Amino acid sequence: SSELTQDPAVSVALGQTVRITCQGDSLRSYYASWYQQKPGQAPVLVIYGKNNRPSGIPDRFSGSSSGNTASLTITGAQAEDEADYYCNSRDSSGNHLGHVFGTGTKVTVL
Amino acid sequence: EVQLVETGGGLIQPGGSLRLSCAASGFTVSSNYMSWVRQAPGKGLEWVSVIYSGGSTYYADSVKGRFTISRDNSKNTLYLQMNSLRAEDTAVYYCARENTIYGTIDYWGQGTLVTVSS
Repeated sequence: SSELTQDPAVSVALGQTVRITCQGDSLRSYYASWYQQKPGQAPVLVIYGKNNRPSGIPDRFSGSSSGNTASLTITGAQAEDEADYYCNSRDSSGNHLGHVFGTGTKVTVL
Repeated sequence: EVQLVETGGGLIQPGGSLRLSCAASGFTVSSNYMSWVRQAPGKGLEWVSVIYSGGSTYYADSVKGRFTISRDNSKNTLYLQMNSLRAEDTAVYYCARENTIYGTIDYWGQGTLVTVSS
């Protein structure tokens, strides 16, 4: 099966911009989705498709992609953005069509 | 409003079996792709299985041959039958709905904890 690789942790000053990247072969074929997960809670979808935000997600969250790399950018990070972030895509490797998740990035807002 | 409520988790001995349920509301399970995703304590998310609207099923290699995904259309409920459980299956199991247009998992349940231990 495919793998999606993320940096384990990043930090950002309050109000500044942070970019989280996700690399993997499946991203050459499928868009990445991005999830925010806070301790003890289920993941929440923040970006999907080319660069779409579900209702209720602030516009400081944006997504982009190029080749085998997808990125999530938080412009003007807020204290409440401190969380784990996971990328995800469809996975058509092997003999099945499922999903693959990234290794996760812990974002700390200073 | 879309809601997913998982039940059935608990403490089970290695080699045992457990069936998880996911009751859905606000949409029709049989018209959507539905997945199970798990998260071991302190670890990342791992996709486990999917059932398509047409009924096809797929599994991660780590659970193939031991887990079975199914649904009851009359109850609008998704299931995960887990057999031959191992310590490494210990995790919070999430039920999730996929937006088939974008291939993204857009709604998650709150999760149910499965602990495999003697």
